[in-house]
Amino acid sequence: EAQVTQNPRYLITVTGKKLTVTCSQNMNHEYMSWYRQDPGLGLRQIYYSMNVEVTDKGDVPEGYKVSRKEKRNFPLILESPSPNQTSLYFCASSQQGYGYTFGSGTRLTVV
Amino acid sequence: KQEVTQIPAALSVPEGENLVLNCSFTDSAIYNLQWFRQDPGKGLTSLLLIQSSQREQTSGRLNASLDKSSGRSTLYIAASQPGDSATYLCAVQGNTPLVFGKGTRLSVIA
Repeated sequence: EAQVTQNPRYLITVTGKKLTVTCSQNMNHEYMSWYRQDPGLGLRQIYYSMNVEVTDKGDVPEGYKVSRKEKRNFPLILESPSPNQTSLYFCASSQQGYGYTFGSGTRLTVV
Repeated sequence: KQEVTQIPAALSVPEGENLVLNCSFTDSAIYNLQWFRQDPGKGLTSLLLIQSSQREQTSGRLNASLDKSSGRSTLYIAASQPGDSATYLCAVQGNTPLVFGKGTRLSVIA
């Protein structure tokens, strides 16, 4: 089944403790991206990647890092999480012109 | 910068009614437009994808239209059902990454 898999689905962590949210797709898509979703603000892009080793900032990149060493994987790294990064996170992938497929989401709480 | 607006923000209708959700975008230079459905706290499910060269797409009771020159799209839902209750999101793909509207929250009352 063609899908985007995110892990974990739920995560509660403390301020300052580094964490990684993994994202993997099995559709050989070139394009991958991360979004966060907050009430009243909608979906905002954090980072995106056009291909392996090519990443760029989205609208809200502060406090996040990404890497794209393999085509299928695009992890999101929070080096020093803060409470304002509490949010619902989505990973997505696409092939140009063929629409986006989204993961099931990761609900992160930073206390 | 591309901006996407969805009207109304919320809509409540009785079961069986036909309804239209609206989406407008400011930059007509898009590759495609995609409609998604999101249930509370869940992921995004793709409903319809319209390429910039197309005028409409249909899937079951759903029909989406695109007027690129005027920057508008509509999602038509026929014979609505309580199971259609969800938030519907419109997103456009252009030279910039996918840009979303804030969605229309639909409630279909039995």
